[in-house]
Amino acid sequence: DQQVKQNSPSLSVQEGRISILNCDYTNSMFDYFLWYKKYPAEGPTFLISISSIKDKNEDGRFTVFLNKSAKHLSLHIVPSQPGDSAVYFCAARAAGNKLTFGGGTRVLVKP
Amino acid sequence: EAGVAQSPRYKIIEKRQSVAFWCNPISGHATLYWYQQILGQGPKLLIQFQNNGVVDDSQLPKDRFSAERLKGVDSTLKIQPAKLEDSAVYLCASSLDPYSGDTQYFGPGTRLTVL
Repeated sequence: DQQVKQNSPSLSVQEGRISILNCDYTNSMFDYFLWYKKYPAEGPTFLISISSIKDKNEDGRFTVFLNKSAKHLSLHIVPSQPGDSAVYFCAARAAGNKLTFGGGTRVLVKP
Repeated sequence: EAGVAQSPRYKIIEKRQSVAFWCNPISGHATLYWYQQILGQGPKLLIQFQNNGVVDDSQLPKDRFSAERLKGVDSTLKIQPAKLEDSAVYLCASSLDPYSGDTQYFGPGTRLTVL
């Protein structure tokens, strides 16, 4: 029972262009959604989040959009940089700060 | 500020052996989490501690996995006996307070290979 799904396992984008990562969820009780970034041999690091009562949150080059009716969120990275090459995990939060993660999307930004 | 520390970073064992992982959370963080990340998947919560009490261990395979957090600081996760399917990265995370929804900060993980 995968409550959080990232259907694209990988994404390749040219430097300077937009990267769009998608995530779908099934549980309406999630109250917060987060994106984590992970480099090889390191733990995931928090990137950006959005409350379930909002539809957009922006932080520099990163914007997260939430469509509650579709149970879908996306992360936009503009412009993409080679240092953004990493695995990105979507996570959804339930009561007690419990996180459920998607399977991840590997992003490769080509110079 | 020091981050979450974990050791060892890598461990290779034979099936049916025992193994233990150690985690030191960020100072002052009351909540500690252990996750299992199998290759190609996202992290899956195994157990959550609030100080030295267990908040949620519903996904911990209790026949072989155990965890403790003595004195509400460091934590140890043990597997006994290990199976091939336990090969994964074991991540420890900590946060200030689970009820305010504070960000979880992750350690670098321990990569376990069971042969």
